[in-house]
Amino acid sequence: GENVEQHPSTLSVQEGDSAVIKCTYSDSASNYFPWYKQELGKGPQLIIDIRSNVGEKKDQRIAVTLNKTAKHFSLHITETQPEDSAVYFCARGGGNKLTFGTGTQLKVEL
Amino acid sequence: NAGVTQTPKFQVLKTGQSMTLQCAQDMNHEYMSWYRQDPGMGLRLIHYSVGAGITDQGEVPNGYNVSRSTTEDFPLRLLSAAPSQTSVYFCASSYVTSGTGELFFGEGSRLTVL
Repeated sequence: GENVEQHPSTLSVQEGDSAVIKCTYSDSASNYFPWYKQELGKGPQLIIDIRSNVGEKKDQRIAVTLNKTAKHFSLHITETQPEDSAVYFCARGGGNKLTFGTGTQLKVEL
Repeated sequence: NAGVTQTPKFQVLKTGQSMTLQCAQDMNHEYMSWYRQDPGMGLRLIHYSVGAGITDQGEVPNGYNVSRSTTEDFPLRLLSAAPSQTSVYFCASSYVTSGTGELFFGEGSRLTVL
């Protein structure tokens, strides 16, 4: 169906290291794959997105890769900083709906 | 622009009570939606609307009603609150109606049902 699986659920990295979060989906009709960041007490905010006709997209320290054949996509954060600590959600879009993964709590330690 | 505004921010209800969570946006977005967020379960879609007068069910619609009489407003009604509806509720809107554009979220409404 439209479910999205997200791993890991928690991730701790040292400041300056890279972080990778992975998601898989099953609905072949999915054609939009955004990533959202949620800080404590706030609503989620879009940080990067990718469409199904693109394999990779980069915006400064963050990048997203999409493997449509394998139905998985990943968020890569390089040179992590303390302000990157938050909950990150992947999602898949299509058919008038955006379906979210279960979230990853990222902690960047000094 | 205020963006997406949700009220109230916090609410405590007793089982069986009814209430309405309000959501308003000033961005002239056609698409509006309601999600609930529970620990370990991410954001689950309750109801959505692709324009005034049009609503549809999401993943977890039972126990909730919505209506969309104007472009700006999309209230969520709990008909008879149950403890299982204790959650944080987010309203979101988008200029894209197909589910393939950026969602702008409100700050959330934390609901506790005793």
